[in-house]
Amino acid sequence: GQNIDQPTEMTATEGAIVQINCTYQTSGFNGLFWYQQHAGEAPTFLSYNVLDGLEEKGRFSSFLSRSKGYSYLLLKELQMKDSASYLCAVRDGDYKLSFGAGTTVTVRA
Amino acid sequence: NAGVTQTPKFRILKIGQSMTLQCTQDMNHNYMYWYRQDPGMGLKLIYYSVGAGITDKGEVPNGYNVSRSTTEDFPLRLELAAPSQTSVYFCASSYRQEGGYGYTFGSGTRLTVV
Repeated sequence: GQNIDQPTEMTATEGAIVQINCTYQTSGFNGLFWYQQHAGEAPTFLSYNVLDGLEEKGRFSSFLSRSKGYSYLLLKELQMKDSASYLCAVRDGDYKLSFGAGTTVTVRA
Repeated sequence: NAGVTQTPKFRILKIGQSMTLQCTQDMNHNYMYWYRQDPGMGLKLIYYSVGAGITDKGEVPNGYNVSRSTTEDFPLRLELAAPSQTSVYFCASSYRQEGGYGYTFGSGTRLTVV
């Protein structure tokens, strides 16, 4: 089975940086995903890591350490539209995604 | 290109009733999945399929059934609905893209069992 932990809530100011941590204990590992989910909507893909290191995509970056079972999502230059839930998900060898409970980020003016 | 289409968007069921949640994708993806999301929680896998004619249980399959007769369609059947099945249901399909396997989600079905 998969055990995926991430903080429940985070609050930050517009223009600031927020880092969302995710730790996982899994029976198999074949990649880690981050999704953004606005209230009442479907999750949308943000990033994917399968090798150790940092992946940067515009204002969003994601880091992975497989030996530590650890990832983080970094959101820079926060905007009000970034207020959402951020889901960490681990894929096993059978292409199944297991999700953490999500971190609700609130951006304040 | 419609992506993943789910119907209905909303439904209220009485305890003991049955219904089918429809999911169709037009991207020729082999892999399809059904998840449920309870308030404030992450998504939990109900069933998944790696191709037409092949289905398997996920984390929370009890009370549900699926079939995959075509590549495009992956309906989820609820038999004898219970209040514990009140949730938002998401269908997803997956494909291969550079850097990983991307998953596309439908817009969800909000189900209330009363």
